Amino acid sequence: ILNVEQSPQSLHVQEGDSTNFTCSFPSSNFYALHWYRWETAKSPEALFVMTLNGDEKKKGRISATLNTKEGYSYLYIKGSQPEDSATYLCACRGTYKYIFGTGTRLKVLA
Amino acid sequence: DTAVSQTPKYLVTQMGNDKSIKCEQNLGHDTMYWYKQDSKKFLKIMFSYNNKELIINETVPNRFSPKSPDKAHLNLHINSLELGDSAVYFCASSQNIGTATYEQYFGPGTRLTVT
Repeated sequence: ILNVEQSPQSLHVQEGDSTNFTCSFPSSNFYALHWYRWETAKSPEALFVMTLNGDEKKKGRISATLNTKEGYSYLYIKGSQPEDSATYLCACRGTYKYIFGTGTRLKVLA
Repeated sequence: DTAVSQTPKYLVTQMGNDKSIKCEQNLGHDTMYWYKQDSKKFLKIMFSYNNKELIINETVPNRFSPKSPDKAHLNLHINSLELGDSAVYFCASSQNIGTATYEQYFGPGTRLTVT
């Protein structure tokens, strides 16, 4: 796995808006896709792990999907709240290594 | 109880010095990692140990030497510090590196500043 890219790099949304961002990864030597939530001055915390093409995971207002054939995952946040403000990181797991994207920095404005 | 702890949290030192960062996890995990967060905010893997055995050793200068006295500890020693070593270093652990679905638990990070 060479490169994991996330877009957009950053975005601002209004409270109550729904939003989504993308994680793109090479589909060869793929074992799993991890999403992490990273609040300022804290450590990354795991959100989801997905392995199978078509996987969907949900936790409250946050959900994620996985397409391993085309090499992308989407993270959705429904009805964004100020406490959702954080950087959302994805990491692609190969044989033993995790390759992280640079993250999408989300700011939810009250 | 802190799951993954690192000490120190901040480290300011001069070029040429030798320093260590300590990491401990109380989760009973087999695998521990060191990551470097570079200036572009990438988290890049440096080392990974599984049950005290080195599994991943990325292209890191050999001034960086990890040491795992037991599976709950993975320390990072850096010799002859250079300005470019300034970064935030994160320790992490996971249940076992052999399973791709095990999530990683991260420490709070150590901000190293070399002057």
